[in-house]
Amino acid sequence: KNQVEQSPQSLIILEGKNCTLQCNYTVSPFSNLRWYKQDTGRGPVSLTIMTFSENTKSNGRYTATLDADTKQSSLHITASQLSDSASYICVVSEMTGNNRKLIWGLGTSLAVNP
Amino acid sequence: DTEVTQTPKHLVMGMTNKKSLKCEQHMGHRAMYWYKQKAKKPPELMFVYSYEKLSINESVPSRFSPECPNSSLLNLHLHALQPEDSALYLCASSQEVEQYFGPGTRLTVT
Repeated sequence: KNQVEQSPQSLIILEGKNCTLQCNYTVSPFSNLRWYKQDTGRGPVSLTIMTFSENTKSNGRYTATLDADTKQSSLHITASQLSDSASYICVVSEMTGNNRKLIWGLGTSLAVNP
Repeated sequence: DTEVTQTPKHLVMGMTNKKSLKCEQHMGHRAMYWYKQKAKKPPELMFVYSYEKLSINESVPSRFSPECPNSSLLNLHLHALQPEDSALYLCASSQEVEQYFGPGTRLTVT
């Protein structure tokens, strides 16, 4: 069964600290992996999209890594800010014929405290 | 303009009401989506429109009726909803891989 698992479920850090969120997936055939940030009650916002051949991709203070062999991805947040408090969701796109189906993780809830 | 807009932001409706959610994008995207999201859960795909034609219906109950009047607009017509339909309804659009989400409509069914 195609699945996306994220850890930790929730995380509390102090402002200015770094953190790393993990994503393991069993989705096959794999098309791409995305990380979204979702504020409570708002729509998800894309942080990065990575294809099979990409190992790392950065977007400001966010850096995502992908190991397609072990089917693992991580999202590293540097110098956290209070506005980073949100849910971070890992989403893997399954390629089936001409259709791409998104398999969503349950997200990591991050709280950045002053 | 990389924005997907949704109206209304909040909606409270009774089980006998008929209401509509609206979504608009002006990015020229060919695909538009409706998702339903319950608290602390990931979004669940409901419908996909491709080139203004319904291409995917994820076995959604008929009390939800999508409509795509043109390439920029997507509606979701609601009728005889149940309290368990209360959720955040998200619209998204895409041209290739990237999906752009709107801010959502918070729906409460009483």
